[in-house]
Amino acid sequence: NAGVTQTPKFQVLKTGQSMTLQCAQDMNHEYMSWYRQDPGMGLRLIHYSVGAGITDQGEVPNGYNVSRSTTEDFPLRLLSAAPSQTSVYFCASSYGQGGYEQYFGPGTRLTVT
Amino acid sequence: GQQVMQIPQYQHVQEGEDFTTYCNSSTTLSNIQWYKQRPGGHPVFLIQLVKSGEVKKQKRLTFQFGEAKKNSSLHITATQTTDVGTYFCGSAGGTSYGKLTFGQGTILTVHP
Repeated sequence: NAGVTQTPKFQVLKTGQSMTLQCAQDMNHEYMSWYRQDPGMGLRLIHYSVGAGITDQGEVPNGYNVSRSTTEDFPLRLLSAAPSQTSVYFCASSYGQGGYEQYFGPGTRLTVT
Repeated sequence: GQQVMQIPQYQHVQEGEDFTTYCNSSTTLSNIQWYKQRPGGHPVFLIQLVKSGEVKKQKRLTFQFGEAKKNSSLHITATQTTDVGTYFCGSAGGTSYGKLTFGQGTILTVHP
């Protein structure tokens, strides 16, 4: 199993550009989530999904969209990038919500200039 | 906001010294999870605690869940340079079916 994969590893965007961060898992996990990691702020939950077709907001959802059309994929979209979105983004998956071990992807380091 | 607060934010120790990080909540938690993130890496699951007063050990690591299920600690005995990284606690809050949120993390530096 590849586990949780994320692409790209690194990305530089200009303010106002859009892009999609890809996340895929091959463990048939129902629960998937996106976190951003900033110095001193820990891991903050952006959006999560409890299954295909179902998504919900986390702590810091503004500026981000998600969809879950399949069990395997959970892309994160930035519609109009802002410098405040410069961060490291991690996708995670698990069998269920908070009571289960989370498997994290390798992360995407995004810089918005 | 975040369910759990973690302290300290940074800890520098000499190799061989002990290290402890604490996770606190104002509300009763259904569970607490601990993760380790090596520099440049991604968080990796260490353990989950669910019972009041629970204590679990993994080699030099000891994890505790408070009697009131509002706090937890991770203690490392005789740190080694391989212990370097950021340690996070996370919880689903009052129900194990809730979304998982994390504390701010403790960055551990070990000087040889």
